Amino acid sequence: EDQVTQSPEALRLQEGESSSLNCSYTVSGLRGLFWYRQDPGKGPEFLFTLYSAGEEKEKERLKATLTKKESFLHITAPKPEDSATYLCAVQGGSNYKLTFGKGTLLTVNP
Amino acid sequence: ETGVTQTPRHLVMGMTNKKSLKCEQHLGHNAMYWYKQSAKKPLELMFVYNFKEQTENNSVPSRFSPECPNSSHLFLHLHTLQPEDSALYLCASSPWDSQETQYFGPGTRLLVL
Repeated sequence: EDQVTQSPEALRLQEGESSSLNCSYTVSGLRGLFWYRQDPGKGPEFLFTLYSAGEEKEKERLKATLTKKESFLHITAPKPEDSATYLCAVQGGSNYKLTFGKGTLLTVNP
Repeated sequence: ETGVTQTPRHLVMGMTNKKSLKCEQHLGHNAMYWYKQSAKKPLELMFVYNFKEQTENNSVPSRFSPECPNSSHLFLHLHTLQPEDSALYLCASSPWDSQETQYFGPGTRLLVL
C-alpha cells in the first residue's frame, strides 16, 4: 500500500525566513509525485509534478526536489501570501490513483 | 468558465434529505474523480470515472451514488447521510493517461445535521 508522510504538520516562519517542507513516501513503482497548495475552504491548486529521482522544478519562491524516498519543497524568502496548506501526493502502480499526505500548514508572518 | 467548477459551494442537509453535488470540467479531460476531505485526514478517493465508465469505487457507502453522464459532468447524489459525512467534497479531472496531473475544483462544503 502506498504511503505518504509529510512533516512538519505545521510551520510558522517570519517573512523572508527560508525553510523546507518534507514529503516521505513508499510506493511500488513511482509514476509521479505531486505538490499542491490549498487555501482554506478551497480546492488544491497544482504546483509541481516530479517523475524521477534527481528532478527539480521551480516556480517563483518555491523549488521542489525528489529523491527515491522523499521530496522537499523549499521556500525561499517567503511572503505572507505563501501561507497555505501544502499537500504532497504520489501516484504509483495504477495510472490514476493518488495517495495524499495530511499536508503541512505553513504560516508566514509579516 | 474555465477549469473545474462545483456547485453548490456550501450545503447544509438533514439526515433524511436527498441532495446532489455537481461538477463540470472545461479542460477537455476524460477522467473525473470524487474525493472527500475531512479535518486532520488526507484526501480520500471515493470514485473514479474514465470516459463515463466507473473504474473505482473505493469502498464508499451506498448512501453516496455517483453519476457521470458524459466526460465533462459528474454528479454525487446524497441520501440519508450521517453527521460524520460532513466534509469538503472535491471533484477533480485529468487526461486518462499515466502520470497526468489531476486538477481540482473549489469543493462543496457539506454539513449534515
